[in-house]
Amino acid sequence: NAGVTQTPKFRILKIGQSMTLQCTQDMNHNYMYWYRQDPGMGLKLIYYSVGAGITDKGEVPNGYNVSRSTTEDFPLRLELAAPSQTSVYFCASGQGTRDRGEAFFGQGTRLTVV
Amino acid sequence: AQSVAQPEDQVNVAEGNPLTVKCTYSVSGNPYLFWYVQYPNRGLQFLLKYITGDNLVKGSYGFEAEFNKSQTSFHLKKPSALVSDSALYFCAGATGGGNKLTFGTGTQLKVEL
Repeated sequence: NAGVTQTPKFRILKIGQSMTLQCTQDMNHNYMYWYRQDPGMGLKLIYYSVGAGITDKGEVPNGYNVSRSTTEDFPLRLELAAPSQTSVYFCASGQGTRDRGEAFFGQGTRLTVV
Repeated sequence: AQSVAQPEDQVNVAEGNPLTVKCTYSVSGNPYLFWYVQYPNRGLQFLLKYITGDNLVKGSYGFEAEFNKSQTSFHLKKPSALVSDSALYFCAGATGGGNKLTFGTGTQLKVEL
């Protein structure tokens, strides 16, 4: 079972470049999330989606955009990369209400902006 | 607003000894509480959750957690630690439909021989 798959695993970006972090899940989950993990800061929610066509901001959405055209995919877009976006990004999915918030995480994307 | 706090950045314990990783929460309404574990260069893995019912929750790998409403705590415990338990542990909380998890800052557990 693939679960939640993120690509790429690693990426180095120059300041001002753009990129899309891909996330796909094969568990037919309605809920999907993007988190960033910074040392000593835990995980911060960037954006989330409760179903195809519906997205909403989390705690730290500035500098990011998302879309949810299908149940399976939830890409995260960085338009103008900044050093402050250097982080490890995790995508997660779950059934939300039905599973009371239990989430399944991908392996992460380590992004460095230089 | 909801928040979850993990007061210890690191916990050291000898193999075979009991371990406790602390978590306190502040949420409005009935809390849903979770523990996740992260091994190096990996995503988070679900360990256990408290939704309602018994205050002692049992999870994966011999871990358990005790929900204490009066102390607003949800400490993770294991009777006998293993070296392989060494990892980063996160407490998380949610309310309502559990749409959004709020994570603590994590506690690094180190189990030594």
